[in-house]
Amino acid sequence: LAKTTQPISMDSYEGQEVNITCSHNNIATNDYITWYQQFPSQGPRFIIQGYKTKVTNEVASLFIPADRKSSTLSLPRVSLSDTAVYYCLVGEGDKIIFGKGTRLHILP
Amino acid sequence: GAVVSQHPSWVICKSGTSVKIECRSLDFQATTMFWYRQFPKQSLMLMATSNEGSKATYEQGVEKDKFLINHASLTLSTLTVTSAHPEDSSFYICSAEGKVEGRNTEAFFGQGTRLTVV
Repeated sequence: LAKTTQPISMDSYEGQEVNITCSHNNIATNDYITWYQQFPSQGPRFIIQGYKTKVTNEVASLFIPADRKSSTLSLPRVSLSDTAVYYCLVGEGDKIIFGKGTRLHILP
Repeated sequence: GAVVSQHPSWVICKSGTSVKIECRSLDFQATTMFWYRQFPKQSLMLMATSNEGSKATYEQGVEKDKFLINHASLTLSTLTVTSAHPEDSSFYICSAEGKVEGRNTEAFFGQGTRLTVV
């Protein structure tokens, strides 16, 4: 299973675009990259998943360079309610292992 | 998206008693279910992985006789914390995956169960 590295915490302001980068140097050929959001005392919520290049949905965009050794989650125009922990997961196997995640704090 | 329902949302029990937590996939067949434990300000720690109809695979350091997992159907898995002690107090979360065209779907998570052992 590929190990992931993310910043432990980030601060931003309402209305800004936030980019959280995740490193996964040992990503395997079959691995997908998935991002989850977790609020306190709740289960994680799926945000976006991708394999290469760019994926966009109604919530976020995911940018993956050609070597796939990193990925960037982009949250457009964040609001206070986006304050949460964001996890980057890599793999396609039977286990889902969480790293430490990035604690994002949105300021007014 | 798919829905995973976890019950109860919170439970308080006396030390030495057992507690059962249910995890149901409401609108898809979950071929694999995962159980996690999360302590305050920490990440989710995988406890075990279970496939329908077979025994759960436990992570290193997780006592299988203390944390009993049953995955009897494609829509239900249960975690029973036996002889609970205060140090078992934690936030327990389940997740479920299905299969689409031979590939695992993304995991869908329950809302979690806050267990407090007094």
